[in-house]
Amino acid sequence: KQEVTQIPAALSVPEGENLVLNCSFTDSAIYNLQWFRQDPGKGLTSLLLIQSSQREQTSGRLNASLDKSSGRSTLYIAASQPGDSATYLCAVRILTGGGNKLTFGTGTQLKVEL
Amino acid sequence: GAGVSQSPRYKVAKRGQDVALRCDPISGHVSLFWYQQALGQGPEFLTYFQNEAQLDKSGLPSDRFFAERPEGSVSTLKIQRTQQEDSAVYLCASSLDRESYEQYFGPGTRLTVT
Repeated sequence: KQEVTQIPAALSVPEGENLVLNCSFTDSAIYNLQWFRQDPGKGLTSLLLIQSSQREQTSGRLNASLDKSSGRSTLYIAASQPGDSATYLCAVRILTGGGNKLTFGTGTQLKVEL
Repeated sequence: GAGVSQSPRYKVAKRGQDVALRCDPISGHVSLFWYQQALGQGPEFLTYFQNEAQLDKSGLPSDRFFAERPEGSVSTLKIQRTQQEDSAVYLCASSLDRESYEQYFGPGTRLTVT
């Protein structure tokens, strides 16, 4: 059974700091990996999607890397801002007979302080 | 256009009651997913529909959980004889088709069983 782990569980940093969130998964037979952001009381917002054949994806201040063989991904946030405060979820996708399925990690709760 | 909507946003049920949670996906989206998110955890897959066909229900935790999408649009997740361990946020997501990996999430329904 695929298990996804995220470290750290919680992180508090001052504004402007660069930070790295970690994600590991036990089964490397994934189709792609996706990072989401979840704000309290709201649904998930997709941040970046990395195909299994790719090594990294970038969007603005966000950069996600993927090392499929070792079962690891990192999300790098540059020059953090208070608006980045949220829970960040990593999810791996496998293909099933009927479609596809996401397995999520437990998340990293980020707080960026002024 | 409108995103994925869910109702009710909050539901309190006494143990043993039946509940029905509704999901309105984005118009025209073929695929629909239900997830259960316990406090402090990542979402866990429950079930998947392609149009009206339920192609994967491997994540439903017990036979008390039942989901339907009779006309291929609105979906209902029903939980019979609720128990305290059913307390969680229930998230619905939709995507354009089975080849699309972009899932759009609703805000969730927070179910509390007392």
